[in-house]
Amino acid sequence: GQNIDQPTEMTATEGAIVQINCTYQTSGFNGLFWYQQHAGEAPTFLSYNVLDGLEEKGRFSSFLSRSKGYSYLLLKELQMKDSASYLCAVRAGGATNKLIFGTGTLLAVQP
Amino acid sequence: GAGVSQSPRYKVTKRGQDVALRCDPISGHVSLYWYRQALGQGPEFLTYFNYEAQQDKSGLPNDRFSAERPEGSISTLTIQRTEQRDSAMYRCASSPGTSGPRSEQFFGPGTRLTVL
Repeated sequence: GQNIDQPTEMTATEGAIVQINCTYQTSGFNGLFWYQQHAGEAPTFLSYNVLDGLEEKGRFSSFLSRSKGYSYLLLKELQMKDSASYLCAVRAGGATNKLIFGTGTLLAVQP
Repeated sequence: GAGVSQSPRYKVTKRGQDVALRCDPISGHVSLYWYRQALGQGPEFLTYFNYEAQQDKSGLPNDRFSAERPEGSISTLTIQRTEQRDSAMYRCASSPGTSGPRSEQFFGPGTRLTVL
């Protein structure tokens, strides 16, 4: 089966660092994506990992461990505008290019 | 440049009617995807195309749902004999390629379908 788990909600303080975890069990693996989705808007791409390790992009970093089926998204210097849902998605690979999404983590940044 | 566009943005229909949802991908994007998203959930895969070929339709819930992309650009998702359980946000996405970073999917604003 296909299963992606991430916490439902998290709260953090403006200026702080927050780590959002994602664990996955899929029948195949060909890359992991993180998307940000503000309420009422479309998901927007944040990061992509296909090899183990850390990918850094400004205030956002994403880590992948394929052997553990684990990823995290790290957000630094939190801003109020970072309040959004963060979606972890796995591309199962093989003959298909579809993304399997988790339910998303709703992050609330407080002053 | 222009992003993915979808029309209509909102559709209200009566149970039993057919609806057609349109997606206009980013120009030059090879792949086009359809997802359905319930409130508070992540997108759920329905189907996808490379150019005009439908590569995977494993996510279509039943045979009332169909999709086409006849010229490898604009796509239409059709739902026949709509039921109330079909009410959801239907999102389209496109990507420039199918592997590596070029497989990043860009999402459209979605069509909010309400079946009464």
